[in-house]
Amino acid sequence: GAGVSQTPSNKVTEKGKYVELRCDPISGHTALYWYRQSLGQGPEFLIYFQGTGAADDSGLPNDRFFAVRPEGSVSTLKIQRTERGDSAVYLCASSVSGTSFSSTDTQYFGPGTRLTVL
Amino acid sequence: DAKTTQPNSMESNEEEPVHLPCNHSTISGTDYIHWYRQLPSQGPEYVIHGLTSNVNNRMASLAIAEDRKSSTLILHRATLRDAAVYYCILRASGAGSYQLTFGKGTKLSVIP
Repeated sequence: GAGVSQTPSNKVTEKGKYVELRCDPISGHTALYWYRQSLGQGPEFLIYFQGTGAADDSGLPNDRFFAVRPEGSVSTLKIQRTERGDSAVYLCASSVSGTSFSSTDTQYFGPGTRLTVL
Repeated sequence: DAKTTQPNSMESNEEEPVHLPCNHSTISGTDYIHWYRQLPSQGPEYVIHGLTSNVNNRMASLAIAEDRKSSTLILHRATLRDAAVYYCILRASGAGSYQLTFGKGTKLSVIP
């Protein structure tokens, strides 16, 4: 079946601009996650959705970052007033549950969006 | 949070077995040991997980030390497609365990 898809695959923007990154999770997965990966590092958690609500947004670096999932499926990560330090690969993942048995709930990742802020 | 320690890099010859070690000396009794890998230009993918007993699946085997302070991911016959960064991750039971905490992982190179 179809995996997690992310668009665009690459995004180049100028400092100060606004960007939106989209994630289409696996159909039927209630949990959705955003991670950010800088060069040479492992992915870092940003935010977790259970259905439509953000259950944990503790990883968002500051208030320029915001994410939504209005219908409990597709999610959009929004970054305002981009800075050069925001350049990274933004990864989205989804899982069946995310809750009760989350310690064994496999996360399926998309290919990521590479964001470059000039 | 319990942390993991992995070598930065390893090399293997194609079609040879590979043993990727992970130390997690502060693991708690309810932490699961997960392995994910990340192929070049792709997102991470799940490999295997276990709690106490050794585990096998179609991708790999996971050997867990009796005291659970270390584990080893075993690829029985490395192929070129197995060249990736391998991450060893501890996931606690209960609330908050949805978050995967990645370290830098082990970069595996496979030599033809």
